[in-house]
Amino acid sequence: EAGVAQSPRYKIIEKRQSVAFWCNPISGHATLYWYQQILGQGPKLLIQFQNNGVVDDSQLPKDRFSAERLKGVDSTLKIQPAKLEDSAVYLCASSLAAELYQETQYFGPGTRLLVL
Amino acid sequence: EDKVVQSPLSLVVHEGDTVTLNCSYEVTNFRSLLWYKQEKKAPTFLFMLTSSGIEKKSGRLSSILDKKELSSILNITATQTGDSAIYLCAVGGGAQKLVFGQGTRLTINP
Repeated sequence: EAGVAQSPRYKIIEKRQSVAFWCNPISGHATLYWYQQILGQGPKLLIQFQNNGVVDDSQLPKDRFSAERLKGVDSTLKIQPAKLEDSAVYLCASSLAAELYQETQYFGPGTRLLVL
Repeated sequence: EDKVVQSPLSLVVHEGDTVTLNCSYEVTNFRSLLWYKQEKKAPTFLFMLTSSGIEKKSGRLSSILDKKELSSILNITATQTGDSAIYLCAVGGGAQKLVFGQGTRLTINP
């Protein structure tokens, strides 16, 4: 079974530039998550999709971050304009989304972003 | 606000030692606690503990959930250099949302 795919793996940009990340979840997984992991910290949830609808985006800095999952499969996360403090690893995860159980989340390899 | 705290933040031991990593939480609508191992890439799933499964074991790794104390431990016996990683604890509340701790960086020296 193919895992969660992400691209690019690395990205270096200057502040105020824009950047986009792509994620393709495990086939059949209805729930997709974007996390931000700053060096030395645990992952922080940015946004959670159930199919193509947003379940939770309470920690997404909406003035500069946006995400979409138009067809309920793959997803893009965009930052515009980027700030120095956005330097982090951006992890995508997916889960089956069973109703009665906390379903295990499976993570992609991440995109390491450096903002100069 | 939901909160997950891990301790210690960093641990260095010798190969063959046994280690215990701690995780405590304050989460509304607790559903499960998960342990992940993170090397130089994405976190990989280790265990999930729930009210109906408070103890899990896989090889040299084992984990126990204490719902009364709102905590969990992850034990690794006979450690090997390949166990060196960051170990993340995450707690699930409503709507399949996970709240992660800051992680414990474990280093196993030969």
